Amino acid sequence: SAVISQKPSRDICQRGTSLTIQCQVDSQVTMMFWYRQQPGQSLTLIATANQGSEATYESGFVIDKFPISRPNLTFSTLTVSNMSPEDSSIYLCSVEGTPYNEQFFGPGTRLTVL
Amino acid sequence: QKEVEQDPGPLSVPEGAIVSLNCTYSNSAFQYFMWYRQYSRKGPELLMYTYSSGNKEDGRFTAQVDKSSKYISLFIRDSQPSDSATYLCAMTGSGGYQKVTFGTGTKLQVIP
Repeated sequence: SAVISQKPSRDICQRGTSLTIQCQVDSQVTMMFWYRQQPGQSLTLIATANQGSEATYESGFVIDKFPISRPNLTFSTLTVSNMSPEDSSIYLCSVEGTPYNEQFFGPGTRLTVL
Repeated sequence: QKEVEQDPGPLSVPEGAIVSLNCTYSNSAFQYFMWYRQYSRKGPELLMYTYSSGNKEDGRFTAQVDKSSKYISLFIRDSQPSDSATYLCAMTGSGGYQKVTFGTGTKLQVIP
């Protein structure tokens, strides 16, 4: 399985600001995924990021709020824009294994918005 | 109705007990079934995966899938305090990329 790192590990931000989360993988991967994990809720897929193309967003998530970059096969960023307290959550990036589409996760970024 | 239902717990057991964690699901297209373990302030870690119905054993852990009942289980034998974590079930379909659907997780505490 791939080794995945994320930065920052946690942050406390003010309402209305933006935060960019970085995800680095130790091997080249085609697809990277961004999830949100809120207390008491299941992991929710925000978007899928393929290198060289626009990210694909899930229902309820839009590019203006969660812009994603995927400049190469080992790196991706997720920006949480114009934050509100409702964005307080853990944000996780993941990559896909084979053959079961199993997800391998980074350590997560714990975001608190005041 | 959620596609995947999982009792959130918390579940407290004494050290050495057998633990049973369960999920039910509604989508008959699910073919691959996974269990993740998530320690506090860490990302989920893949514990086990199975394909279709049947059992799979790995050390103290046994994953069981009953597709006819749309029910999956994870058994932990001789539970240890280090097993204290949140356990998430997950499942997906077959054939190319399929989105993975997760349960909400069951918090387990093993008391020494």
